[in-house]
Amino acid sequence: GAGVSQSPSNKVTEKGKDVELRCDPISGHTALYWYRQRLGQGLEFLIYFQGNSAPDKSGLPSDRFSAERTGESVSTLTIQRTQQEDSAVYLCASSSTGIEPISGYGYTFGSGTRLTVV
Amino acid sequence: QKEVEQNSGPLSVPEGAIASLNCTYSDRGSQSFFWYRQYSGKSPELIMFIYSNGDKEDGRFTAQLNKASQYVSLLIRDSQPSDSATYLCAYPSGGSYIPTFGRGTSLIVHP
Repeated sequence: GAGVSQSPSNKVTEKGKDVELRCDPISGHTALYWYRQRLGQGLEFLIYFQGNSAPDKSGLPSDRFSAERTGESVSTLTIQRTQQEDSAVYLCASSSTGIEPISGYGYTFGSGTRLTVV
Repeated sequence: QKEVEQNSGPLSVPEGAIASLNCTYSDRGSQSFFWYRQYSGKSPELIMFIYSNGDKEDGRFTAQLNKASQYVSLLIRDSQPSDSATYLCAYPSGGSYIPTFGRGTSLIVHP
């Protein structure tokens, strides 16, 4: 597609439930990133995928969080047993490559999924 | 420690003035830097990137990079109320392809 697409745009869930967030990157973008942004806070890195390489999961806050991506296509972020502190906007970004950032392509963000845990 | 420091603001400037936003970084190996604009409730959007020392101009925006002093700036000339947003500095720190973002500086342009 023309941009990074995320779904759902909003999700309200009960504490303890599992949620799955989806990201469809720009076609041809090999690198994909998940970030979390709590209200009034900065971007918190969660996980990075580059092509078929093993993902960098160093930002995942707990083992309740996991993410998958098949090749260079759609990625899903799963949060199990959601807690109220998981409430945030989850942003996905993609770039043409994670190796040559000086190309200036930067990182294109999706519109995010606003997750509210009640 | 990969860090990006930005003054959270808010920075308030009158319409038509020059807004100056600054960012300092800790990783001397960094090669390229990005400025993102984030309107309230929206996702960040890329507005400028720079990878050479000196200035880079694009319309009303000028990015300035000083690698020796480890800072990067964004100047907005003829500021407009529509420029009111949070501006995020980001860079993929050396050895990592993961962009590190600053917390952002809130800019308010008042008529």
